[in-house]
Amino acid sequence: KQEVTQIPAALSVPEGENLVLNCSFTDSAIYNLQWFRQDPGKGLTSLLLIQSSQREQTSGRLNASLDKSSGRSTLYIAASQPGDSATYLCAVRHSGGGADGLTFGKGTHLIIQP
Amino acid sequence: GAVVSQHPSWVICKSGTSVKIECRSLDFQATTMFWYRQFPKQSLMLMATSNEGSKATYEQGVEKDKFLINHASLTLSTLTVTSAHPEDSSFYICSARGGSGGSYEQYFGPGTRLTVT
Repeated sequence: KQEVTQIPAALSVPEGENLVLNCSFTDSAIYNLQWFRQDPGKGLTSLLLIQSSQREQTSGRLNASLDKSSGRSTLYIAASQPGDSATYLCAVRHSGGGADGLTFGKGTHLIIQP
Repeated sequence: GAVVSQHPSWVICKSGTSVKIECRSLDFQATTMFWYRQFPKQSLMLMATSNEGSKATYEQGVEKDKFLINHASLTLSTLTVTSAHPEDSSFYICSARGGSGGSYEQYFGPGTRLTVT
């Protein structure tokens, strides 16, 4: 059974810092990996989707990398801003048989101090 | 593009009653829809997968007779929580996907917060 782990569980940094969020998964048979942002009491906002054949994706100040063989992904946030404060979720889509939905990590709760 | 809506956004119901939640893909046809549940300070857990016109596939531990899923069209899926109890109080989020290949992305709705009193 696929398991997704996110480290750290929580992070608080001053505005302007660059930071890295980590995600690991136990089964490397994935179609893709996706990073989401969730604000308190709200739904999910998709940030980046990396296909299994890709190594990284970039969108603005965000860069996500994927090392499928080692079961790891990182989300790099450059020049953090208070508006980046949210919970960041990593999720993988399994490519084997069985469940076709996403398996999520528990998230990293990020606070950017003004 | 790729917008998914949910209705209602929040609902309060009494224990023992049933509640229906709708999930719609507004600008694409969703061959597959997914229902997730999120308890406070926990991550999203997949409850079931539904393909248009077929019976839903439920994850282990999810009662299919309690959580009724209907995916009657390519743009609408419904989740009915039957005989709701306080422990069913949660945030329910649906997602929709336009195809089954690896390049197809899931698009998430805004969620429905259910409180059972």
